[in-house]
Amino acid sequence: EIMLTQSPGTVSLSPGERATLSCRASQSVSNSYLAWYQQKPGQAPRLLIYDASSRAAGIPDRFSGSGSGTDFKLTISRLEPEDSAVYYCQQYGGSPGFIFGPGTKVEIK
Amino acid sequence: QVLLVQSGAEVKEPGASVKVSCKASGYTFTSNILHWVRQAPGQGPELMGAINPGGGGTTYAEKFRGRVTMTRDTDTRTVYMELTSLTSQDTAVYYCARRASSYWALDVWGQGTTVIVSS
Repeated sequence: EIMLTQSPGTVSLSPGERATLSCRASQSVSNSYLAWYQQKPGQAPRLLIYDASSRAAGIPDRFSGSGSGTDFKLTISRLEPEDSAVYYCQQYGGSPGFIFGPGTKVEIK
Repeated sequence: QVLLVQSGAEVKEPGASVKVSCKASGYTFTSNILHWVRQAPGQGPELMGAINPGGGGTTYAEKFRGRVTMTRDTDTRTVYMELTSLTSQDTAVYYCARRASSYWALDVWGQGTTVIVSS
């Protein structure tokens, strides 16, 4: 079974700065079936990126995904206060399908 | 507008069962797999399993096999998740989420149902 690790655990940045979040898989992810979600307190996760680098509908272009194989990144190019959240990577594969990483918390100073 | 609306919060005693519903609207109900994901306090999401509303076929995560049953009612466009033999470890927010039509991710989520297991 594929395991996902995310780093850093928490990152604290100022508005306008760039955030780079990492997700590493224990085995190569098939066909880049890797997604990123944003979750704010008391809310359901929200899909940001699918297939490693495709933005979901309605997601601002300051969010971008990259990577392949076992190493993936989510970049938030210009942080805004509303980007304060926990970000999860998720891989599709095997049964019953989806595995989530432990998350990275983004704090806005 | 695509929506998944879940049933309300539940408080259960240890050993009991809980059944959570998820009503879909705004799309063809039988076209997308629906997943159940739970999130314990302070933890990340955890996939429990999935149901194909079209044929009713299900797949469950190993951890929940034998305790979870997912069903659907095509007349009311509703899927259900029943979890039995509850313990305090099952205290969590339970979400239904739709698998996207053309890619492998969960593009629409219900609002979540809080289940508290306590004596």
